[in-house]
Amino acid sequence: GQQVMQIPQYQHVQEGEDFTTYCNSSTTLSNIQWYKQRPGGHPVFLIQLVKSGEVKKQKRLTFQFGEAKKNSSLHITATQTTDVGTYFCAGQEAAGNKLTFGGGTRVLVKP
Amino acid sequence: DAGITQSPRHKVTETGTPVTLRCHQTENHRYMYWYRQDPGHGLRLIHYSYGVKDTDKGEVSDGYSVSRSKTEDFLLTLESATSSQTSVYFCAISAGTKIYEQYFGPGTRLTVT
Repeated sequence: GQQVMQIPQYQHVQEGEDFTTYCNSSTTLSNIQWYKQRPGGHPVFLIQLVKSGEVKKQKRLTFQFGEAKKNSSLHITATQTTDVGTYFCAGQEAAGNKLTFGGGTRVLVKP
Repeated sequence: DAGITQSPRHKVTETGTPVTLRCHQTENHRYMYWYRQDPGHGLRLIHYSYGVKDTDKGEVSDGYSVSRSKTEDFLLTLESATSSQTSVYFCAISAGTKIYEQYFGPGTRLTVT
């Protein structure tokens, strides 16, 4: 079945620095979604990418969908303590109606 | 936040007992999902529903059953709980599948002793 892998599993970031988390699918995706889960909370939808090579920005967050629609990345600039949490990517195959979630990247920010 | 509630929010039960978790939505969304979340595994789909009485299995469905008799309610049942089913369970809803995001409930923390 479809597999979605995320790296790194953990990311310790100094406040103010940038970092990137990566998501790779074993199959070609119809679309990819990103979610954020704060400690003790539930996943919250951030964004969806549909087109090959698509880039979307939300303030300090930049999301990219690969040309082959098998990978994606999330880049955060000038990390803040409010960025703490776990970021999940979730991919959907063209023929399917389910999302497959990656294992998540847990982000810890050092002030 | 979307109108999704889960009950109970916390439960401790013994091995071999049946357990039912409830997800209730007020959004009238067609699709409902049950996930479990374990460290290092992200969110794994247990079962989902695409309408009243219409359900299908996810990737980790063994040991679980579901029912949806009304649009607003989706029940997850562990017929005979095992320690491996200790987890945090999230319910999610969506208006559709392609291009539709999922909204998650607050979660239920289940401990099987």
